[in-house]
Amino acid sequence: GESVGLHLPTLSVQEGDNSIINCAYSNSASDYFIWYKQESGKGPQFIIDIRSNMDKRQGQRVTVLLNKTVKHLSLQIAATQPGDSAVYFCAETGTASKLTFGTGTRLQVTL
Amino acid sequence: ETGVTQSPTHLIKTRGQQVTLRCSSQSGHNTVSWYQQALGQGPQFIFQYYREEENGRGNFPPRFSGLQFPNYSSELNVNALELDDSALYLCASSLAGWGNTEAFFGQGTRLTVV
Repeated sequence: GESVGLHLPTLSVQEGDNSIINCAYSNSASDYFIWYKQESGKGPQFIIDIRSNMDKRQGQRVTVLLNKTVKHLSLQIAATQPGDSAVYFCAETGTASKLTFGTGTRLQVTL
Repeated sequence: ETGVTQSPTHLIKTRGQQVTLRCSSQSGHNTVSWYQQALGQGPQFIFQYYREEENGRGNFPPRFSGLQFPNYSSELNVNALELDDSALYLCASSLAGWGNTEAFFGQGTRLTVV
């Protein structure tokens, strides 16, 4: 069935370093992908999205890469800050009108 | 702030009871989706409403039902509550009926069933 999974449940990064969070998806019909950040006690916060006709998209300090050949998505955060500490989810959607989320990766930023 | 508001923020109910959760979508958005997020898990899609009609449903039993009003606000109703219904319930609003547009989430309602 459809699934979106994350390779690492917890990622620990030193402040100032770059972070890379990975995600694998299994639905080849997926055509839109979103990364969300969720802090404790809050709802998911939209970070960046990418459509299947692109392989890279950049935002402020964040970059999303999409490799459709191996069905892999990554989120790169440049110069990671303490405020980046949170759980990060990738989500995908295809022809269905729903987002399918993975279980999340916890990013811990150490000083 | 996303402009999506949910009420109440926390709720405690007894097994077997019924609950209604409410969501006001972001201004200009006509689509509302509901998700259930168990502790330590990613959100799971319950259903979506577009222009007051259900527009897709996830793998949830019929005791999970919803409504969307002309102003695009929405309710999630759960009957015959079970202990496993304890979760964070999230509402997301977006502009189109399909999922492939930005979806913005509210803060969620934390439901505890005892």
